[in-house]
Amino acid sequence: DTGVSQNPRHKITKRGQNVTFRCDPISEHNRLYWYRQTLGQGPEFLTYFQNEAQLEKSRLLSDRFSAERPKGSFSTLEIQRTEQGDSAMYLCASSLALDLIYFGEGSWLTVV
Amino acid sequence: QKEVEQDPGPLSVPEGAIVSLNCTYSNSAFQYFMWYRQYSRKGPELLMYTYSSGNKEDGRFTAQVDKSSKYISLFIRDSQPSDSATYLCAMRGSGGSNYKLTFGKGTLLTVNP
Repeated sequence: DTGVSQNPRHKITKRGQNVTFRCDPISEHNRLYWYRQTLGQGPEFLTYFQNEAQLEKSRLLSDRFSAERPKGSFSTLEIQRTEQGDSAMYLCASSLALDLIYFGEGSWLTVV
Repeated sequence: QKEVEQDPGPLSVPEGAIVSLNCTYSNSAFQYFMWYRQYSRKGPELLMYTYSSGNKEDGRFTAQVDKSSKYISLFIRDSQPSDSATYLCAMRGSGGSNYKLTFGKGTLLTVNP
């Protein structure tokens, strides 16, 4: 039984570079979410996919952020022209219905 | 005022103690409530999911919801050192953006052997 898989687990990048994170949800889960968590805070909602459709994008997601979920399977979260304020853990979650939402281990981003 | 308030602790208890973790919320639209456990540098792990006011028990964990007071609790009986983690409450509504979870800041718990 595989859970939500995220790669890479850690990424250190220089300011101004682009980074991409990948999420593989639990098999057959049609709903996929991205959250961001900074130190000492709870996760904050970024975006939501139902199958391949992106149904909501938080105002936290500036134009430098883009997420995709081609064919309703895996998802990618790209951050362009990274800034130090982007340093955080990016969490992916998936669910079949709205009740039981399972998170991955997260992808840590450090922008130097 | 934040929608969900959670005392960040830290909370330190001896092994075997009963632990009480709490959250309050202001948005009456929240209808579904969850507790997640998060170990250091790991993703949140779903512990409990509740809807109705009242108690729900699962092993050593009991989740309690009081919608009239907008107050939820998680009780851990016979706490173990392996319970040392950050506990996050989360909640969502039943309409509109009902897929969006709103989290508390988390309470850091340490259980001392």
